[in-house]
Amino acid sequence: KNEVEQSPQNLTAQEGEFITINCSYSVGISALHWLQQHPGGGIVSLFMLSSGKKKHGRLIATINIQEKHSSLHITASHPRDSAVYICAAQGVRGTDKLIFGTGTRLQVFP
Amino acid sequence: KAGVTQTPRYLIKTRGQQVTLSCSPISGHRSVSWYQQTPGQGLQFLFEYFSETQRNKGNFPGRFSGRQFSNSRSEMNVSTLELGDSALYLCASTLSGTTNEQFFGPGTRLTVL
Repeated sequence: KNEVEQSPQNLTAQEGEFITINCSYSVGISALHWLQQHPGGGIVSLFMLSSGKKKHGRLIATINIQEKHSSLHITASHPRDSAVYICAAQGVRGTDKLIFGTGTRLQVFP
Repeated sequence: KAGVTQTPRYLIKTRGQQVTLSCSPISGHRSVSWYQQTPGQGLQFLFEYFSETQRNKGNFPGRFSGRQFSNSRSEMNVSTLELGDSALYLCASTLSGTTNEQFFGPGTRLTVL
């Protein structure tokens, strides 16, 4: 079993839909990262969470430390949100090592 | 402020050769991590450097090595290339060794023929 599991692997949506991507982890963490990767490879950091909830524009990330679970929500999805979304667990303090989930490929159609 | 830069962006090598990839972190960032991304294995951690010291290493063979210079720039080297080393190699920098947002470079796409 992978230390970081993501679901779903693939997701298609119509423009305007509310989207949820889930991430579960089995390791102890100092932070949970949500990353976005567009075709071509560039990775952008969306959120870094150690507790609670963060919001940036139409994106919301939550984490439940007790349940070892995090979610990424996209409200009012748009075709430009089409990308691969990756969650990554950052382990014990003092290291930047990330353990990645397998990613969720999101396609939003107009 | 300039972002993380990686050179070269694309590289084609043949089996048995060696390759050196370079990563320049954001100015002021002292920690650099390297990752390998392949279609089959996804993103995997290679190693992490902080203040010229390797702080952590992933489960890769000894053919993969790296170093960090006093200006925080980092290089990784792969010797005796194998077909399976074809991948996107990404580096990421952070301010320090605590829990900080990681900033990724555009990657070097290595093809081994």
